[in-house]
Amino acid sequence: NAGVMQNPRHLVRRRGQEARLRCSPMKGHSHVYWYRQLPEEGLKFMVYLQKENIIDESGMPKERFSAEFPKEGPSILRIQQVVRGDSAAYFCASSQGQGGSYEQYFGPGTRLTVT
Amino acid sequence: DQQVKQNSPSLSVQEGRISILNCDYTNSMFDYFLWYKKYPAEGPTFLISISSIKDKNEDGRFTVFLNKSAKHLSLHIVPSQPGDSAVYFCAAANAGNNRKLIWGLGTSLAVNP
Repeated sequence: NAGVMQNPRHLVRRRGQEARLRCSPMKGHSHVYWYRQLPEEGLKFMVYLQKENIIDESGMPKERFSAEFPKEGPSILRIQQVVRGDSAAYFCASSQGQGGSYEQYFGPGTRLTVT
Repeated sequence: DQQVKQNSPSLSVQEGRISILNCDYTNSMFDYFLWYKKYPAEGPTFLISISSIKDKNEDGRFTVFLNKSAKHLSLHIVPSQPGDSAVYFCAAANAGNNRKLIWGLGTSLAVNP
């Protein structure tokens, strides 16, 4: 399966713990976007990364959230000291990049529940 | 500020008829528009897109129309099938804003047999 892969699909964390969400882009794609969908809301952009480079993090909360896309391995969205309000579905999408098409292809999402 | 608006939260259509989903936007800098379909507990699936230099794009049963002067686009599904029942999201992007997708809140389509 050459699609976008995300793991874990479901993640339960207690308040104050750390959450790590992983995303492997589609084969041939070098750009990754992270989006969050809160209950009863639409998807909201969080961050856009290329390998080893954060292009746009304007949608990331200023504290506790970070993202990386290392040279080797998946992109990681990290949430430190989770709070109940972080409970949401987190989706990763990949694309060909600025020179290619606009289409972004999504993974199945990680559903984070903070108890 | 909701730059992309889908004003109908839900739509119900009979199988075989046309489904028309609407989307309005406020930012004239958007240069590309996309429609995604989403089933519960799954990621959005890309359906069809249109560049701002066009006014129509067709792919099988799906056609997207763009009216730039009205800042309005619509997705037509003909004929509608029960398997089309899902939430449909309209999204917009522009090259000057890193192509990040700005999303509407979605329209839940139910196609009744």
